Amino acid sequence: EVQLVESGGDLVQPGRSLRLSCTASGFTFGDYNMSWVRQAPGKGLEWVGYIRSKPDGGTTDYAASVKGRFTMSRDDSESIAYLQMNGLKTDDTAVYYCTRDSYYYASGSHGYAFDFWGQGTMVTVSS
Amino acid sequence: QSVLTQPPSASGTPGQRVTISCSGSSSNIGNNFIYWYQQLPGTAPKLLMYQTNQRPSGVPDRFSGSKSGTSASLAISGLRSEDESDYYCAAWDNSLSAPVFGGGTKLTVL
Repeated sequence: EVQLVESGGDLVQPGRSLRLSCTASGFTFGDYNMSWVRQAPGKGLEWVGYIRSKPDGGTTDYAASVKGRFTMSRDDSESIAYLQMNGLKTDDTAVYYCTRDSYYYASGSHGYAFDFWGQGTMVTVSS
Repeated sequence: QSVLTQPPSASGTPGQRVTISCSGSSSNIGNNFIYWYQQLPGTAPKLLMYQTNQRPSGVPDRFSGSKSGTSASLAISGLRSEDESDYYCAAWDNSLSAPVFGGGTKLTVL
């Protein structure tokens, strides 16, 4: 059974840093891209960024709203994905979900699925 | 402002068929696959539909997906009280080179 467990959420002041962890089990972690998706209170879903699997290059991409402030990394030996958040702003207040991703390409069309989700961890940025 | 546009709310009575729309552009829906996520109250989202019209194991066949041009739809037939949830569409955006979401639709079963 696929399981994703996020941790590290907390109340922090604007400008400070926080690191979230996502511990995975039930699948071969190193074979998959992993994303972080966030949801501000009462709002919709926003993709934050992803880290590709090492076979796909292990590189990262981020939403414009967090680029330059957030950094994703992964430890395939421990099946953990990380989200390092620096320079936090009040707008970063949200539940942060870790997802296992699946990429699909056929006949010129791209598909990107967040096929399993963790339960989320709350990050509150406030003075 | 979300890249994909969904109505904020929808409603239906038990047994009814309802559809939820998702509008985009040639950069996303028009040329790529659509995904739908269901978020029951107080829980994490769950993949409901992938590659536009494919249901993951365990999703009832009351749920179906379709696409026409730059718009997509999620249809729910034989509506049940447990279908009351938030529904989000998503797609890959070629211009952004990133996945994008709709703003979500809150479905109420009357």
